[in-house]
Amino acid sequence: NAGVTQTPKFQVLKTGQSMTLQCAQDMNHNSMYWYRQDPGMGLRLIYYSASEGTTDKGEVPNGYNVSRLNKREFSLRLESAAPSQTSVYFCASSETGASYEQYFGPGTRLTVT
Amino acid sequence: RKEVEQDPGPFNVPEGATVAFNCTYSNSASQSFFWYRQDCRKEPKLLMSVYSSGNEDGRFTAQLNRASQYISLLIRDSKLSDSATYLCAVMNYGGSQGNLIFGKGTKLSVKP
Repeated sequence: NAGVTQTPKFQVLKTGQSMTLQCAQDMNHNSMYWYRQDPGMGLRLIYYSASEGTTDKGEVPNGYNVSRLNKREFSLRLESAAPSQTSVYFCASSETGASYEQYFGPGTRLTVT
Repeated sequence: RKEVEQDPGPFNVPEGATVAFNCTYSNSASQSFFWYRQDCRKEPKLLMSVYSSGNEDGRFTAQLNRASQYISLLIRDSKLSDSATYLCAVMNYGGSQGNLIFGKGTKLSVKP
């Protein structure tokens, strides 16, 4: 099992460009998440999807959109990138149940110039 | 008060030392608690869930103190390979979905 995979690993964008970060999991988890991690700020939740067909905003959703394409895949889109979106983006997944342990992908390092 | 707080460190300890990290949380209704390990430029990896009765996994022991609203992680006989950042995470439930709130992490450096 690959667990949680993310593409691309690295990306450089110019201000105003758009891109989609892809995430897939093969653990048959219902819930999926997108986080960003910035120095001194820790991990912050952008959006999550409790189950296929549902998405909800997290702590820092502005400037992002998400799509839960199917049970395996959850994508994050930046419509018009800004330098403030320079960050490391992690996707995670979990079962829906009492433990809620989340498993993370390897991350995407995004730089917006 | 921030929802989840950790001492950022760094904790610099010699090999073989015992080191303890604490993490405080502000929401008394929090239900689940976790410790993650994050190596430099890598993703967080689940180290341990923290149960009410406390739990141990080899050299690692996690404790929960609900009255004082903190969780702790004890590492005995530190190894060089334990050098990493340790993140605590607290699950807050809202409706049908819980969301993890992470601390900013405590950096541990184990020296020879």
